[in-house]
Amino acid sequence: GENVEQHPSTLSVQEGDSAVIKCTYSDSASNYFPWYKQELGKGPQLIIDIRSNVGEKKDQRIAVTLNKTAKHFSLHITETQPEDSAVYFCAASIIGAQKLVFGQGTRLTINP
Amino acid sequence: DSGVTQTPKHLITATGQRVTLRCSPRSGDLSVYWYQQSLDQGLQFLIQYYNGEERAKGNILERFSAQQFPDLHSELNLSSLELGDSALYFCASSVGQQLNSPLHFGNGTRLTVT
Repeated sequence: GENVEQHPSTLSVQEGDSAVIKCTYSDSASNYFPWYKQELGKGPQLIIDIRSNVGEKKDQRIAVTLNKTAKHFSLHITETQPEDSAVYFCAASIIGAQKLVFGQGTRLTINP
Repeated sequence: DSGVTQTPKHLITATGQRVTLRCSPRSGDLSVYWYQQSLDQGLQFLIQYYNGEERAKGNILERFSAQQFPDLHSELNLSSLELGDSALYFCASSVGQQLNSPLHFGNGTRLTVT
């Protein structure tokens, strides 16, 4: 399969709280899982990625976890700030089709 | 700034017409990818080129074609345009051709077909 499901589609959190976005994938051979942030009027920007030989990766306030058995991965943003407001996309490599498939996106709003 | 340049930023044209979108990849990147982003479809992979050769194909319509030139810039040609082709078209580039090479996206071309 080539599906990447992303939830929730919208998320609103108070500044300083944590935000979690979850994705599931169907291709058991997938081995690369990047996350992108897209601000209004701009292209998606890579913020963190994880490969299948790692279960967790952290970069300052951003972390990604991967559960290969369950075929899901999550983005965690701690101590959220107004500039974190954007649309976030997960993606997974689909080996057979030689492409990266993106989730439908999550619009994250940080309320001051 | 990702280093990927796309022109034009906006394009308004009529149904039945043909347009060309242009992309210059980051310096040193050999792969170029084209994606279509519409409100109800998210980011859809169209096609990938690596060092001038087609590498992978996604949901690209027969009315659409692309190529990568010796200087590594790429063009996406859209012909016999329909209203449903209105979307944001993104170009991305990466160093390698493998799927685990991080993609760097340009800021897109917004196409409006009237």
